[in-house]
Amino acid sequence: QELLVQSGGGLVEPGGSLRLSCAASGFTFSDYYMSWIRQSPGKGLEWLSYIGPSGNPIYYADSVRGRFTISRDNAKNSLFLFMNSLTAEDTAVYYCARDSVGYDSWGQGTLVSVSS
Amino acid sequence: DIQMTQSPSSLSASVGDRVTITCRASQNINNYLNWYQQKPGKAPNLLIFAAFNLQSGVPSRFSGSGSGTDFTLTISTLQLEDFATYFCQQSDTTPYTFGQGTKLEIK
Repeated sequence: QELLVQSGGGLVEPGGSLRLSCAASGFTFSDYYMSWIRQSPGKGLEWLSYIGPSGNPIYYADSVRGRFTISRDNAKNSLFLFMNSLTAEDTAVYYCARDSVGYDSWGQGTLVSVSS
Repeated sequence: DIQMTQSPSSLSASVGDRVTITCRASQNINNYLNWYQQKPGKAPNLLIFAAFNLQSGVPSRFSGSGSGTDFTLTISTLQLEDFATYFCQQSDTTPYTFGQGTKLEIK
């Protein structure tokens, strides 16, 4: 059974940085595109970034391009999201998701709160 | 960006009812339309992919239809566990975008 377990997140001050991790199991991680998606009351569900099976291609939403970096370590079955220059607008629950035909497996979600 | 507009935003229905939720894309998305169900405090769950394909393990009372810009999710006979929020999502063109959601509540 496919499983994505997230870690990282928490409270960070404006301008700060944070790293999210997503550990995959139960499937061949290196075969799949992976994505990060966030959800906030104000903006609903927002796709942020994807990464191809070998680490490319990579694509970002305009709202995070230049501030967020997606990466993966196929040897460790792990996906990452490095987030810099965080603002209050980035406050949300962040999800990793396996990108098959649709997002068919999701992490449990992790809350990122940006506040002073 | 492709805008996804769902209607209605909320819906009250009873167990046993037939329910339809609509999703309209701002441009042709070539049937790259997915539907998700989300319950409070949980991640979304994929129900339908590529407009009309039922995800493995999803009950057959869920069905999807449509093409081009107009799509529909139908629940044929509502069960108690179906009361949740439903989202559509286009995977035709980045940035992939979601509808604002339809909250299905018990009447």
